Amino acid sequence: DQQVKQNSPSLSVQEGRISILNCDYTNSMFDYFLWYKKYPAEGPTFLISISSIKDKNEDGRFTVFLNKSAKHLSLHIVPSQPGDSAVYFCAVTYQGGKLIFGQGTELSVKP
Amino acid sequence: EAGVAQSPRYKIIEKRQSVAFWCNPISGHATLYWYQQILGQGPKLLIQFQNNGVVDDSQLPKDRFSAERLKGVDSTLKIQPAKLEDSAVYLCASRFQGGEKLFFGSGTQLSVL
Repeated sequence: DQQVKQNSPSLSVQEGRISILNCDYTNSMFDYFLWYKKYPAEGPTFLISISSIKDKNEDGRFTVFLNKSAKHLSLHIVPSQPGDSAVYFCAVTYQGGKLIFGQGTELSVKP
Repeated sequence: EAGVAQSPRYKIIEKRQSVAFWCNPISGHATLYWYQQILGQGPKLLIQFQNNGVVDDSQLPKDRFSAERLKGVDSTLKIQPAKLEDSAVYLCASRFQGGEKLFFGSGTQLSVL
């Protein structure tokens, strides 16, 4: 039973355009929603997070949107750069800091 | 500030052999996690420690996997005996008390032949 779903395994975007990565979740009790970025042969690195009491959080080129009624989370990257090419995981926290991950979306930004 | 340290980076073993992984979390982080990431999937939590006590090991296959965190600092994860389906990246992470972010090490890539 997957509590966090990323339905797009891959996404290809042109450099300079917007990348939109999506994530759906099932449990309205989650505390925080996070995005992690992973390069090959490295561990995931934290990118941006949003509390369950907010609907938007912005950090430079990265913005995360939370739609609680739809149980949907999205990450917008504007403008996209070739260095953004990586696997992006959405994750949720609950019950004392446990982190549940989605399956990941591989983003490819083409020059 | 030093990050989460893991060793070894890579390990190749034959099925039914045993293997151990080591993790040293960020200094001052009381919570430590071990995750398993199978190719094409997201990381899956195996065990969570708070200092040297186990908070959650519900997903740990206890017939073959064991983990300890003596003295509440570094930790080891052991598999004995290994199966082919244990081939994965094993990630260690730590978290500061009250924070929502986990900090991950580079992982150990295990291949079971």
